[in-house]
Amino acid sequence: DTAVSQTPKYLVTQMGNDKSIKCEQNLGHDTMYWYKQDSKKFLKIMFSYNNKELIINETVPNRFSPKSPDKAHLNLHINSLELGDSAVYFCASSQPSGNEQFFGPGTRLTVL
Amino acid sequence: GEDVEQSLFLSVREGDSSVINCTYTDSSSTYLYWYKQEPGAGLQLLTYIFSNMDMKQDQRLTVLLNKKDKHLSLRIADTQTGDSAIYFCAERGGFETTDSWGKLQFGAGTQVVVTP
Repeated sequence: DTAVSQTPKYLVTQMGNDKSIKCEQNLGHDTMYWYKQDSKKFLKIMFSYNNKELIINETVPNRFSPKSPDKAHLNLHINSLELGDSAVYFCASSQPSGNEQFFGPGTRLTVL
Repeated sequence: GEDVEQSLFLSVREGDSSVINCTYTDSSSTYLYWYKQEPGAGLQLLTYIFSNMDMKQDQRLTVLLNKKDKHLSLRIADTQTGDSAIYFCAERGGFETTDSWGKLQFGAGTQVVVTP
């Protein structure tokens, strides 16, 4: 039933490690996004994909590499994790012809 | 977001009305949104308004848009303790260019605390 789902919900890891966060939507949307929410709750777009193609890359370090195997999935891989990467990462999806953008439950990443 | 501003905190008594204000700068914004985030939870879409509308009502929620002043407000009638949360205002660009492609530009969020 969940429209936009993410795994894992919590991720605790050491600096320098590589980790992935997965996102899936069952809404049939063509566009998917990754947003980052920092410790002050500020939300900022990172990436936007439409129909598996990268559309927006908001000057995110190239340690972050999104991958969209199909329209329903947008995964986020992060190499060489840094302390400053600690945040909550939200996946979202929408339809270009639609008005609503739905968010997943978030993945809280803590880098030690 | 530097282009969307909100007051940071609002305290309201249970049963009163809450009004959360937001200003934005992008005149090409097509839609404006209100999201609710409860502690430890994701973002719940509450309501949205198209930029050529002045007002939208949805049960206890009323959205007012003053396009000339680029001012958006969310009124919650009969505020309940379950309304305690952070409320985010967001503006959305269109899908005409790859610069915007539907991305949401968020305000910093307004923490609403409802007291009995």
